[in-house]
Amino acid sequence: EIVLTQSPDTLSLSPGEGATLFCRASQPVGRNYLAWYQQKPGQAPKLLISGASSRVTGIPDRFDGRGSGTDFTLTISNLEPEDFAVYFCQQYDTSQVTFGQGTKLEIK
Amino acid sequence: EVQLLESGGGLVQPGGSLRLSCATSGFTFSTYAMAWVRQAPGKGLECVAWVSHTGSGTEYADSVKGRFTVSRDKSKNTVYLQMNSLRVEDTAVYYCAKSVSPAWVTSLDHWGQGTLLTVSS
Repeated sequence: EIVLTQSPDTLSLSPGEGATLFCRASQPVGRNYLAWYQQKPGQAPKLLISGASSRVTGIPDRFDGRGSGTDFTLTISNLEPEDFAVYFCQQYDTSQVTFGQGTKLEIK
Repeated sequence: EVQLLESGGGLVQPGGSLRLSCATSGFTFSTYAMAWVRQAPGKGLECVAWVSHTGSGTEYADSVKGRFTVSRDKSKNTVYLQMNSLRVEDTAVYYCAKSVSPAWVTSLDHWGQGTLLTVSS
């Protein structure tokens, strides 16, 4: 099983600032089979990025995914109030897909 | 519009059984793999089971292997999760989610609203 570790657990920032979220895998994620999700309280997760860097249709270009191998990042530039949420990474390179524990992006 | 609607959650005693259903619409059901993802209160996400587009391929998390069974009925555009020998630690919101790919679960582009399972005596 590939274990995904996200950091930091919580990130406190102000609207207008930029955020960088990290996701590290316990072994290489092949074919960059890594996705990022956003989850707001009381809602289901929402797919933002797949294939490590491909934004889903309708996701603003301030969301940028990068990385390969074991290290991946999600960068959110110019934070909007609606961006404050919990973010999860997910790998789907193996048949047992796994998620990171999440990073909470909160308003400072 | 893609829609996923879970049902069947509730309160069950430890050792009990329950079946969750996920009724789908708005896409060609037989073309995509489907997954069940759970989230314990205040916790992260765990993919507990998935089923391929044909139903012939399945995978389970180690935490539920041998207790849960995922299946799908193309005539009803519905995916199921049969849960047996339930434990307190199975308490969670269970989401049904649609994979982008057919043969196995990849990224999950549509999710239901979730159904709450509480296992308690």
